[in-house]
Amino acid sequence: ETGVTQSPTHLIKTRGQQVTLRCSSQSGHNTVSWYQQALGQGPQFIFQYYREEENGRGNFPPRFSGLQFPNYSSELNVNALELDDSALYLCASSRGLAGGLNTGELFFGEGSRLTVL
Amino acid sequence: AQSVTQPDIHITVSEGASLELRCNYSYGATPYLFWYVQSPGQGLQLLLKYFSGDTLVQGIKGFEAEFKRSQSSFNLRKPSVHWSDAAEYFCAVGAGYGGSQGNLIFGKGTKLSVKP
Repeated sequence: ETGVTQSPTHLIKTRGQQVTLRCSSQSGHNTVSWYQQALGQGPQFIFQYYREEENGRGNFPPRFSGLQFPNYSSELNVNALELDDSALYLCASSRGLAGGLNTGELFFGEGSRLTVL
Repeated sequence: AQSVTQPDIHITVSEGASLELRCNYSYGATPYLFWYVQSPGQGLQLLLKYFSGDTLVQGIKGFEAEFKRSQSSFNLRKPSVHWSDAAEYFCAVGAGYGGSQGNLIFGKGTKLSVKP
């Protein structure tokens, strides 16, 4: 069973640039969630995708956007990067909301560490 | 508003000693509660979860947690700590189950150090 994989693992950008982070969900999972974890903090929910549509969003501005593809992989895009966007970005996958037991268990990738200079 | 509080930022215990990590939550309905562990440079791994039923739940790596509704707590325990348990531990509450299942609210974490 392949786990959640994220790329790139590390990247450095400058303020104002745009970044795309990628996530492949675990086999059999059709829901992907994204979290931002600033240094010394717990993860904060950005948004979730189910069946290629956004299904829930945390308190993040519109410059944080995402996509989910038919194979359930996902991208997180951040435009107009700010210094405070420096963080570990975590992707998590889970089984879908419809059909089967909804365990609610999230399986996390190892994250993409973004540094904004 | 839903929230999770982990009062201890950093705890140091001796190897072989018992461990209890505290977690208090604020949530209007019956909560779904989780404990995750994060090793340096790693993602989060689920230790255990509480949805309903028996308030004492067993998890992986010898961890257990007890849900106490009257105290709004979900403390994590282990009877004998191993050096490999050194990591950061996060308590989380499920804020949107049935609708947005990915919406977990995490505490700020407790860093566990283990003395030889």
